[in-house]
Amino acid sequence: EVQLVESGGGLVQPGRSLRLSCAASGFTFDDYAMHWVRQAPGKGLEWVSGISWNSGSIGYADSVKGRFTISRDNAKNSLYLQMNSLRVEDMALYYCAKASAAADNTGWYFDLWGRGTLVTVSS
Amino acid sequence: QPVLTQSSSASASLGSSVKLTCTLSSGHSTYIIAWHQQQPGKAPRYLMKLEGSGSYNRGSGVPDRFSGSSSGADRYLTISNLQSEDEADYYCETQRVFGGGTKLTVL
Repeated sequence: EVQLVESGGGLVQPGRSLRLSCAASGFTFDDYAMHWVRQAPGKGLEWVSGISWNSGSIGYADSVKGRFTISRDNAKNSLYLQMNSLRVEDMALYYCAKASAAADNTGWYFDLWGRGTLVTVSS
Repeated sequence: QPVLTQSSSASASLGSSVKLTCTLSSGHSTYIIAWHQQQPGKAPRYLMKLEGSGSYNRGSGVPDRFSGSSSGADRYLTISNLQSEDEADYYCETQRVFGGGTKLTVL
C-alpha cells in the first residue's frame, strides 16, 4: 500500500526540541523529493521544508529557518524533521508530503499525504 | 513565487454540481496545479493534477464526479452529483504554494 506514516509529535515546552519521522512505503522513495507541511488549528496549509531525492537541495520556510533541519535516509525509506527552539506558533499538525518530482524543478506538486502528527508547544 | 487565490466559501445542494476556482497570479498563468481535499478532522487528500491546457489526471481512487478545467490563469475543480462526504475544505497548490482554501458546504 502506498502510504506515509508520521510519528514523533507530542507536547513540548517552548524552547525545547522534537524530532518528527515519516515512514514511506509502496513507492520508490529515493525517486522523489519529500516535504513537511503544517496546519495550525483552524488555519490553512503551510509549507515548512523540503528535500530533494538525494538531499542535494534543501529548503525552509522563513518562519523555521535556522531552527528546523530536514533530512532523509533513503536506505530506510524515511524522512525526518529536527525541530529546535520550538515556539508557541509552531504548534500544528505536521504532515509528511510526497512531491511528484525528484527535485525542485518546474511543474511539480504534492501527490501523497500522511495522516499527520500533532505538535503541541506549551508551558 | 506564484500566489494562488481561492474564494473562502462555497455552497451547493446535495446531488447538484459546484465549480470551485483557483486563480494564479500574474506571470504564472501556465503553471500546473494540484487540487487537494481535506474533510473535517482528516488529512489532506490529493485529488488531481490540472494543467493550463485543461488536461487533468485524477489521483488513485478519486471518483470521476471530480473533474478539472482551465481558462487562462483560472483553474477549476468541478464536483458533480454532490454527496454529503464532499463537504470539506479544498486547496489548490503548486510547487509548495497553497491557496487559502475554499470551505464547501453541501446543503
